[in-house]
Amino acid sequence: DADVTQTPRNRITKTGKRIMLECSQTKGHDRMYWYRQDPGLGLQLIYYSFDVKDINKGEISDGYSVSRQAQAKFSLSLESAIPNQTALYFCATSDLQGDNSPLHFGNGTRLTVT
Amino acid sequence: GQNIDQPTEMTATEGAIVQINCTYQTSGFNGLFWYQQHAGEAPTFLSYNVLDGLEEKGRFSSFLSRSKGYSYLLLKELQMKDSASYLCAVMDSNYQLIWGAGTKLIIKP
Repeated sequence: DADVTQTPRNRITKTGKRIMLECSQTKGHDRMYWYRQDPGLGLQLIYYSFDVKDINKGEISDGYSVSRQAQAKFSLSLESAIPNQTALYFCATSDLQGDNSPLHFGNGTRLTVT
Repeated sequence: GQNIDQPTEMTATEGAIVQINCTYQTSGFNGLFWYQQHAGEAPTFLSYNVLDGLEEKGRFSSFLSRSKGYSYLLLKELQMKDSASYLCAVMDSNYQLIWGAGTKLIIKP
């Protein structure tokens, strides 16, 4: 079983719809992240959380919101989807123990907004 | 601004050696990571460098020169399964990761 699980794996939605991408982890890590990946660009950080009551904006948070419901769960919402939010979305976790802790990624959610 | 540069694509032959370069300009430096990403899959951690020099891990080695803002990933005895994208990421002074766009490595028989 995957340590970081994202659902759904693929999603096609229409402009203006609200959608939620979910992430759960069994690694026991405190830190969780949402990234998007576009062809030809580096991973871009959307939001991150270091604890259940901690939410921080990343470099491209506009149009997105998150909820850290529990240590193991971190969901990403698009309140009103638009076509330029079509991308591959990754959830990731890391251990609190050190800043050189590597990220552990989920398998991604491919989102298409038509 | 902060910037990470990597070649977009490289081609190498099975059994050979390939070096993937990464140059960076960031606000401070707290370490450099290399990740491997197969097409359609999640990135997976390969290496971390924070001090100058070479870190060897099996067929893969990573080198860092902080004064030059430069790193490379060296892959030896290439195998077909090494066909993937290789992502360079630098942790800046705020401990935020800045990512390169990745280098797609194509291995030919």
